[in-house]
Amino acid sequence: DQQVKQNSPSLSVQEGRISILNCDYTNSMFDYFLWYKKYPAEGPTFLISISSIKDKNEDGRFTVFLNKSAKHLSLHIVPSQPGDSAVYFCAAVSSGSARQLTFGSGTQLTVLP
Amino acid sequence: NAGVTQTPKFQVLKTGQSMTLQCAQDMNHNSMYWYRQDPGMGLRLIYYSASEGTTDKGEVPNGYNVSRLNKREFSLRLESAAPSQTSVYFCASSEVRGSGNTIYFGEGSWLTVV
Repeated sequence: DQQVKQNSPSLSVQEGRISILNCDYTNSMFDYFLWYKKYPAEGPTFLISISSIKDKNEDGRFTVFLNKSAKHLSLHIVPSQPGDSAVYFCAAVSSGSARQLTFGSGTQLTVLP
Repeated sequence: NAGVTQTPKFQVLKTGQSMTLQCAQDMNHNSMYWYRQDPGMGLRLIYYSASEGTTDKGEVPNGYNVSRLNKREFSLRLESAAPSQTSVYFCASSEVRGSGNTIYFGEGSWLTVV
């Protein structure tokens, strides 16, 4: 049973518009959340993160929102650019000694020129 | 800046054959990881090494063994490959175990078992 879920396998957005990628989780022990970006034939690269004590974190065009009561986080990209086309993975870290990353299945974002 | 380097990039194996995926990092990181990525499954942790001399099982360790040869190198071995092990394998390293925002991934190794 996947503890981190990305229910949309793909998303297409027009250049300049907002991209919203969603992620849901089931484990209440998760206390740190991350987004990774992956281009074809490359490894994932860290994009942005948020601690469970916050509800928003912003870095340039990227903003992550966390709704703990709904166990939901989202990544907003504004404005979207063609270079943002990639697979985006949501990941979570649980409190406790292991602190391993649990990944979602990814969402393929395509930004159309 | 090589970062995390893994070899080979592509490999085709016959069922029952063995092979070792090599990984090296040049960032002086303590922790290293092996993940596999399968369609619709995201990345799943196979094994990790929190520090030199230690290894621990992750979510999907069956059919694999690992060796933390030194601080730089962490290898993944398939003793008797099975078609279910067809996947893309990623090695990663981080300064601190579980420190997600400082985890660096290699470019991946595409393994096909026929």
